[in-house]
Amino acid sequence: GNSVTQMEGPVTLSEEAFLTINCTYTATGYPSLFWYVQYPGEGLQLLLKATKADDKGSNKGFEATYRKETTSFHLEKGSVQVSDSAVYFCALRSNYQLIWGAGTKLIIKP
Amino acid sequence: EAGVAQSPRYKIIEKRQSVAFWCNPISGHATLYWYQQILGQGPKLLIQFQNNGVVDDSQLPKDRFSAERLKGVDSTLKIQPAKLEDSAVYLCASSLDWGGTNTGELFFGEGSRLTVL
Repeated sequence: GNSVTQMEGPVTLSEEAFLTINCTYTATGYPSLFWYVQYPGEGLQLLLKATKADDKGSNKGFEATYRKETTSFHLEKGSVQVSDSAVYFCALRSNYQLIWGAGTKLIIKP
Repeated sequence: EAGVAQSPRYKIIEKRQSVAFWCNPISGHATLYWYQQILGQGPKLLIQFQNNGVVDDSQLPKDRFSAERLKGVDSTLKIQPAKLEDSAVYLCASSLDWGGTNTGELFFGEGSRLTVL
């Protein structure tokens, strides 16, 4: 069946470091792919999305490219800030339902 | 624009007691979702409504969980009787389109954290 696998956390980085959070998926057909973010004490919110192969989603300095050949949708940011500390969820949409990864907690130290 | 509203934010109950959570989605959003999020895991869909009809409740433990969405607006999720393993955050979300098919974007409330002792 469909599934999403994310790298385990927590991921701890210093401010201004480069960030990569890995996400791979298993799905039939051509799913849409998403990154959601959950800041401390807040609800989940959409960070970025990509709907077809080779699409690049971007928002708030974060980017992710839909790679069909490697079934991946890795999240990247060139220079992280303390305010990026949150839990990041990778998800795919298939058959009108979102399939979620387990989430990766990101901790940014000043 | 007001976001998705949920209450209560926190609830502590003894096992075998009952609890109810309320959700008011964003105005005009036809689709409403209830998710269960256990610590360290991704959200698990419990039930999905399209207006006031149920689209998917395949993962809802129907012997103890129930949900309704009267008049296609706000919704209530009930647990009776609660078990220890029901301790989780219950998230409500809404989307404008059918299952979020056009944008995939779900708008979430802040969640209701349940602790069962």
